[in-house]
Amino acid sequence: SQQGEEDPQALSIQEGENATMNCSYKTSINNLQWYRQNSGRGLVHLILIRSNEREKHSGRLRVTLDTSKKSSSLLITASRAADTASYFCATDDSNYQLIWGAGTKLIIKP
Amino acid sequence: DAGITQSPRHKVTETGTPVTLRCHQTENHRYMYWYRQDPGHGLRLIHYSYGVKDTDKGEVSDGYSVSRSKTEDFLLTLESATSSQTSVYFCASARALGASPLHFGNGTRLTVT
Repeated sequence: SQQGEEDPQALSIQEGENATMNCSYKTSINNLQWYRQNSGRGLVHLILIRSNEREKHSGRLRVTLDTSKKSSSLLITASRAADTASYFCATDDSNYQLIWGAGTKLIIKP
Repeated sequence: DAGITQSPRHKVTETGTPVTLRCHQTENHRYMYWYRQDPGHGLRLIHYSYGVKDTDKGEVSDGYSVSRSKTEDFLLTLESATSSQTSVYFCASARALGASPLHFGNGTRLTVT
């Protein structure tokens, strides 16, 4: 089953602009994580937000979580060419196993 | 992630042959996972391990088996490969369940002809 669903599926912006991706999920969660995947590589963990947190920052990344709407957003500020990648959210089920969305493909145009 | 290596990186095999993919981690993580990644599906869990010789099935385990004889090694075997198992396979490890990030290898691209 696909718990997390990212939106949009693809996003193309100019370098320097901000990029916002959204993730919706269906059931109660303990944690929500965001990962980045560069082409041909494995996923890299970006940030984890717990269900009792509403916002978290890490460098140019800002993640928000709205448990009432069962949604999260990932904001990348001042985008760079190196941010070109696919971004995935993952939520944990009652057994703490992660369930993944299909990802947002982000392209940063120079 | 330098802590997890997968081998081989690419493999082409014929339908009906057995295939074993290898995952080696140097993180001393207790939990290890095998996922497959297909377009439009995100990552889907095949099997996971919560310790040496302790494994369990994920959501797409049919046609796959795993073994973990040492903390650092987790093997995935396709008992009789089928074309539907053409995919990119990722191994991951984690220190704990829940609020513990996964560390991924760079994947094995498997093509079954």
